[in-house]
Amino acid sequence: DQQVKQNSPSLSVQEGRISILNCDYTNSMFDYFLWYKKYPAEGPTFLISISSIKDKNEDGRFTVFLNKSAKHLSLHIVPSQPGDSAVYFCAARYTGNQFYFGTGTSLTVIP
Amino acid sequence: DAGVIQSPRHEVTEMGQEVTLRCKPISGHNSLFWYRQTMMRGLELLIYFNNNVPIDDSGMPEDRFSAKMPNASFSTLKIQPSEPRDSAVYFCASSSGRESYNEQFFGPGTRLTVL
Repeated sequence: DQQVKQNSPSLSVQEGRISILNCDYTNSMFDYFLWYKKYPAEGPTFLISISSIKDKNEDGRFTVFLNKSAKHLSLHIVPSQPGDSAVYFCAARYTGNQFYFGTGTSLTVIP
Repeated sequence: DAGVIQSPRHEVTEMGQEVTLRCKPISGHNSLFWYRQTMMRGLELLIYFNNNVPIDDSGMPEDRFSAKMPNASFSTLKIQPSEPRDSAVYFCASSSGRESYNEQFFGPGTRLTVL
């Protein structure tokens, strides 16, 4: 049973435009959310996170938005760059250090 | 720090053989996680250790899978006997376990192919 869902397996965006990656979750007890980025042949690396007490967190070109009522999370990348091309995983936590990951969205930024 | 170290990076084996994957977490981290990545299910948590003790192994698919953490600097994931459907990328991750710092650091993964 997938508690964290990323319904778009892939996304293509023109360089300089906005990339929006979406994530939905089912467990209202989740209190912390993270985005990880993964390049081929490498492990995922942490990108940005947000606590459930906030609805927005920004770090440079990356902004994560949380809509608790809709159980929806999104990652905005502005402006998108070719180096952002990677697989992005959404993750959520509700107890301890156990995270639940989505299936990932493969982002391609076209130069 | 070298980060999380996994070996081997690639493993090709035949159905029925035993496979052992190895992980060295980041020094000082007290939580260790084994994940499996597949197209269908993304990153699945298989088992999670805290201070070398298994906390949750509900993600381990079958009795063919076992994991150990004999000390703070080493863990193994064993599949015996292996089957073609076990083919996937297996990641090990570690974290400091402090509530205020929840980031998990992942190793490069082991790509397992079972023929």
